[in-house]
Amino acid sequence: DTGVSQNPRHKITKRGQNVTFRCDPISEHNRLYWYRQTLGQGPEFLTYFQNEAQLEKSRLLSDRFSAERPKGSFSTLEIQRTEQGDSAMYLCASSLSGWRGKLRVDTQYFGPGTRLTVL
Amino acid sequence: AQSVTQLDSHVSVSEGTPVLLRCNYSSSYSPSLFWYVQHPNKGLQLLLKYTSAATLVKGINGFEAEFKKSETSFHLTKPSAHMSDAAEYFCVSLKNTGTASKLTFGTGTRLQVTL
Repeated sequence: DTGVSQNPRHKITKRGQNVTFRCDPISEHNRLYWYRQTLGQGPEFLTYFQNEAQLEKSRLLSDRFSAERPKGSFSTLEIQRTEQGDSAMYLCASSLSGWRGKLRVDTQYFGPGTRLTVL
Repeated sequence: AQSVTQLDSHVSVSEGTPVLLRCNYSSSYSPSLFWYVQHPNKGLQLLLKYTSAATLVKGINGFEAEFKKSETSFHLTKPSAHMSDAAEYFCVSLKNTGTASKLTFGTGTRLQVTL
């Protein structure tokens, strides 16, 4: 399978613990995005990488959250001192930024997500 | 600001009948719009996208959507619903800032298909 993969698929942790999620994008994609989806809502943008550079962060991303993409391939999202409000599905997406004729091509392909439950 | 509004949180249709999921957008310029589908415990899958090349966009699994600038709408349709179409559907807009392409999701429409 050459799609976006995320690990783990499920994570249950106690409040105050640190957790780390991993995302492996489609191999030739240069852009990688993290989103968060809470129950009954659509996903919300968290942060974005172009290659290894983190170019934008949402105000939703508090200082307890940190994301890296050290070699421009896989990415990790770490949450320190988890709170119950962090319980959500964390989604990763990747895209290939470029142009096809006059049309900009930047379709994002999503992984299956990591469901975090903070007790 | 660019955003989308999904007019129905829940739609129920009988198998074999048409599907209509409504989405309005707000933008000061012609946007890029998408429909994604999310099946339970599965990732988001792209159904179709509009990028100003053609107003009627055909997607996968028999779905299509028509961009109507005069109505600021991008409704998703399918002539005949199948049980496997039951899922959550998201209307999504794309904001290109030059350095980022952020997706803004609607609140979703849950499609129920009954026998």
